[in-house]
Amino acid sequence: EPEVTQTPSHQVTQMGQEVILRCVPISNHLYFYWYRQILGQKVEFLVSFYNNEISEKSEIFDDQFSVERPDGSNFTLKIRSTKLEDSAMYFCASNLDRSSYEQYFGPGTRLTVT
Amino acid sequence: DAKTTQPPSMDCAEGRAANLPCNHSTISGNEYVYWYRQIHSQGPQYIIHGLKNNETNEMASLIITEDRKSSTLILPHATLRDTAVYYCIVRVPMDSSYKLIFGSGTRLLVRP
Repeated sequence: EPEVTQTPSHQVTQMGQEVILRCVPISNHLYFYWYRQILGQKVEFLVSFYNNEISEKSEIFDDQFSVERPDGSNFTLKIRSTKLEDSAMYFCASNLDRSSYEQYFGPGTRLTVT
Repeated sequence: DAKTTQPPSMDCAEGRAANLPCNHSTISGNEYVYWYRQIHSQGPQYIIHGLKNNETNEMASLIITEDRKSSTLILPHATLRDTAVYYCIVRVPMDSSYKLIFGSGTRLLVRP
C-alpha cells in the first residue's frame, strides 16, 4: 500500500539554526500539507500546497517557515531560525485531489530544539 | 478555532463496543465530520467520515445527530490494538482543497 514517508524521524538542532524536514508524498497525489503537534497537545494545521504554491497557511506559519517541492517527489518544510517553541512532531500529509476524502499522514519527524 | 470537544479519556472492555462522543455545535453546513486515530505518536490514521448520514465501514460506524451538532464513533468490538487517541475533526473547505481541524482527542484504553 502506498504511504507517505518522512525523514529524518528525529532531528535535534540548536536554537537559531535552520532545519529542513523532508517528506515524500504518495506519488500521484496533488495536494500536500504540513501539520505539527506539540507534545501533549492537538495536531495543528500549518500549511497546504498545491500546483507549486501555498494555497493556505495558518497563523503559526510565519516568515520563519517555508515550503518547497524541489524535484516533483519531495516536499520540504524549512524553518529558517529555530526557536525552542518549534519543538514538536511535524506531520506531512497528502491527498489525491480536491474531492478525495482521505488525507494520508506520514509517520512524522520529531524536532527537538535545544 | 476549536470546532470539536471530546472527553479526554475513556475505557472499555475488550470485545465490547466503544462509543466515543464528540460535540461540534458550530459546524457549518458544508463541513464534514472526520475521525482519525493516533497510536503512540505515529501519524494520524483515517477511520471514517460523514456529512449528514450515518456511515459504516470495516473499522467503525459514525452516528451523526440530525442537527449535526454532535456525533458518536462506534468501534463495535474493541480489541487491545484499538487503544489509541481518537480525534474528532472538522474538515474545513479552502479555495483549492481542505484542511483538518483536530479536536483535543479522546484517549481510549481497551482493557483485557
